[in-house]
Amino acid sequence: AQSVDQPDAHVTLYEGASLELRCSYSYSAAPYLFWYVQYPGQSLQFLLKYITGDAVVKGTKGFEAEFRKSNSSFNLKKSPAHWSDSAKYFCALEGPPSSSFSKLVFGQGTSLSVVP
Amino acid sequence: AQTIHQWPVAEIKAVGSPLSLGCTIKGKSSPNLYWYWQATGGTLQQLFYSITVGQVESVVQLNLSASRPKDDQFILSTEKLLLSHSGFYLCAWSRGTGANERLFFGHGTKLSVL
Repeated sequence: AQSVDQPDAHVTLYEGASLELRCSYSYSAAPYLFWYVQYPGQSLQFLLKYITGDAVVKGTKGFEAEFRKSNSSFNLKKSPAHWSDSAKYFCALEGPPSSSFSKLVFGQGTSLSVVP
Repeated sequence: AQTIHQWPVAEIKAVGSPLSLGCTIKGKSSPNLYWYWQATGGTLQQLFYSITVGQVESVVQLNLSASRPKDDQFILSTEKLLLSHSGFYLCAWSRGTGANERLFFGHGTKLSVL
């Protein structure tokens, strides 16, 4: 069965610093991987996805993520971070890719606080 | 543009009482529809999905049921609420073209069972 782990429940950093949120996954086949963000008081919004191809994928709001098959990770990055990036971030895994519908499995989420 | 609307925004219900949550998607024909549940402070768990009117598949057994009476409507319900049903319920849709499509989420319903 597939699973997603986000080991850091909370991350705090200063505005202007580089942010990297960790995500590791467990899946026997080639994964589809996603990042979603939940701003305070809002619903989840799509940031980016990895399907195949280049290991680094770029998304909305200046975010990018790097897929590393060697250690089954899909970390989210942004530099520099801004106070408006404070939110809860969810990594998610899709499988099996042959399905005609989504079966996203989400990680626990990481709450990011960017201090001005 | 497509819009997704969930109702109600919040509910406070007693254990053993019935529940009905709704979701409507406008501007998209034949979407795939989903119900997700987020326990307080927890992750999201897919409960149901539907790829067409009248057909709903259960992913997790939580003593809940779902129906899709119209192409643009998805209903989540139960006849008897449990304390464990408390949490945040999110409706979502995706294009019906495969598993690599992004999900579009509604604003959710916060349910408190007392």
